[in-house]
Amino acid sequence: DAKTTQPPSMDCAEGRAANLPCNHSTISGNEYVYWYRQIHSQGPQYIIHGLKNNETNEMASLIITEDRKSSTLILPHATLRDTAVYYCIDPNRDDKIIFGKGTRLHILP
Amino acid sequence: DAGVTQSPTHLIKTRGQHVTLRCSPISGHKSVSWYQQVLGQGPQFIFQYYEKEERGRGNFPDRFSARQFPNYSSELNVNALLLGDSALYLCASSLNRQNTEAFFGQGTRLTVV
Repeated sequence: DAKTTQPPSMDCAEGRAANLPCNHSTISGNEYVYWYRQIHSQGPQYIIHGLKNNETNEMASLIITEDRKSSTLILPHATLRDTAVYYCIDPNRDDKIIFGKGTRLHILP
Repeated sequence: DAGVTQSPTHLIKTRGQHVTLRCSPISGHKSVSWYQQVLGQGPQFIFQYYEKEERGRGNFPDRFSARQFPNYSSELNVNALLLGDSALYLCASSLNRQNTEAFFGQGTRLTVV
């Protein structure tokens, strides 16, 4: 079973920052947090991952709380093409990518 | 560069038949994982193979089996198909066993009638 908790859906206005929260309260000290997204009818796409420090790449930023029990994925300027289901993943000790239900992000024009 | 390729893209089978789905990972990737995604749900983990050995298995019946070949491509086999096996089957490849930054194919849409 997935070990993360995410809101089932969120709305964000086009051009604004989309902030997607995730709780991973059982994460262990050496486990990374991964984010993927799945656009309709496509396979999941890797976005970003992090351990302790905040991370940024060309797609998004990842803010991890100091206690590592939660994180926030930030899409700085959301576009209609960012409409997707976003998955926050805490791999178990067997390094499997186990998906939960994710957050369905709607970008509103 | 070719991404993860899966074949076929769509398939229709009848109950009781068997099916073989194929996956070619990104060149150099040694880990292949299989997932089943039914409508409205997140992908469910079926198998992981790394260096041609099974490294993990999800909660699926023995009707599901897989293997990885010396070139790291993989096949997923499902026997005695049930209507409930209708789903999108996804393959993911990664460079290492830890599955950091896995790349997914577009999937095979299997319909069992």
